[in-house]
Order: sequence, then C-alpha cells, then structure tokens
Amino acid sequence: DAGVIQSPRHEVTEMGQEVTLRCKLISGHNSLFWYRQTMMRGLELLIYFNNNVPIDDSGMPEDRFSAKMPNASFSTLKIQPSEPRDSAVYFCASRRQGFNEQFFGPGTRLTVL
Amino acid sequence: GQQLNQSPQSMFIQEGEDVSMNCTSSSIFNTWLWYKQDPGEGPVLLIALYKAGELTSNGRLTAQFGITRKDSFLNISASIPSDVGIYFCAGHPSSQNFVFGPGTRLSVLP
Repeated sequence: DAGVIQSPRHEVTEMGQEVTLRCKLISGHNSLFWYRQTMMRGLELLIYFNNNVPIDDSGMPEDRFSAKMPNASFSTLKIQPSEPRDSAVYFCASRRQGFNEQFFGPGTRLTVL
Repeated sequence: GQQLNQSPQSMFIQEGEDVSMNCTSSSIFNTWLWYKQDPGEGPVLLIALYKAGELTSNGRLTAQFGITRKDSFLNISASIPSDVGIYFCAGHPSSQNFVFGPGTRLSVLP
C-alpha cells in the first residue's frame, strides 16, 4: 500500500502569495492530521479531521490558514496571504479508525521569502 | 495543554554503544508511541505501547510503558550509523489527541 502522499515536497514563494499544500491519505484511513514543524516549536498539531469533519482546529495559527477535506482521501492546507514566519515543514498524517498510530507523509518544506 | 519532556535533548555516541532515552509527562497517558525522523523525511512509527508496564521490542529497539503511566523509555542496542535521527515520543491523554515531545537528536560516531 502507498503511504501518505504530500505535494509539493518543496515550495518557495514570496510574501503575500497564496500557498496550497496537498495530502492524500492512506487508503482505508479516516482521520487526517496537519502538523507544522520548526526548530523553535517542534511538531505542532494544526488541525485534524475525522471522517472529513474538522474536529479540532485550535492549533491553526490565524485566519490566514485554512484546511479542507473535500473527500475521504484528500485534504488541502491553504495559507493566504503567506508570510516569512510561515516557513516550516508541513506534515500530514493519517490514521485508521480504532487505532492510535498516525502515519506521516514526507512533508512539504515551505519557504516564504 | 499537555506537554511532554524528552531527555536527553541530544546525544553523541560511538557506534556499537547502547542508547537510552526517555519521555515524561505530568499527566497520565493511555498510549505511548515512539517515532524516528530521518533528515528530510516525515516521522516513522517505531513502537506503540498500550498498557502500563508493557515492554515491546522491534529489532534492536525496546520501549517500555512506565508503571506510573507518566513516562516511557526507548533503548537502542548496539547502535549503527543509520540510527542517526530525531526520536520523538508521542503520548495520548485520555481526553485529547496525541501530544508530541520535542525530540531527542541522536548522532552516532563511527
């Protein structure tokens, strides 16, 4: 089975531009998590979905960040407008119902100039 | 919210040595997970623990769920260069989602 797929792997953009990160869950998994990783803050949970429904978005930094799950296997994380402090590695992870283990994607390294 | 502490923050060891690291919380956790992250990659699950006192092995790795349910330990025996990376613990409190520790960065010297 394919693991969690994220795209793009790297994104460099200018301040003020819109950024969209994409994630495809492992087949059969029904929970999706978006994380941000920086040297200063480590791994931070931004938002998670269960069966396409956002359950906890308390980690979303501000209104510039939004996440959607238009279907059971796909999610997007959008930043509009982007700022240099958004530079980080963004991971998504998926989980099968009834299990605790989360499986991470390879991440998207975002650089905002 | 819940916070986890990991120690040591970083360690340098010689190839062949055994490694011990731990993760502690001020609250009781129901599940502990240990992940390893290689440079430029996402964290990969190593071991999952579900019961207090549980001891689980995965090759040269052994992890234990502390009796108090507030800590967990990871040991690596006979380290090799590919053990280099960041090791994260993640705990699952009863009423919240997983919380990740800050990680232990392991360097293995040949």
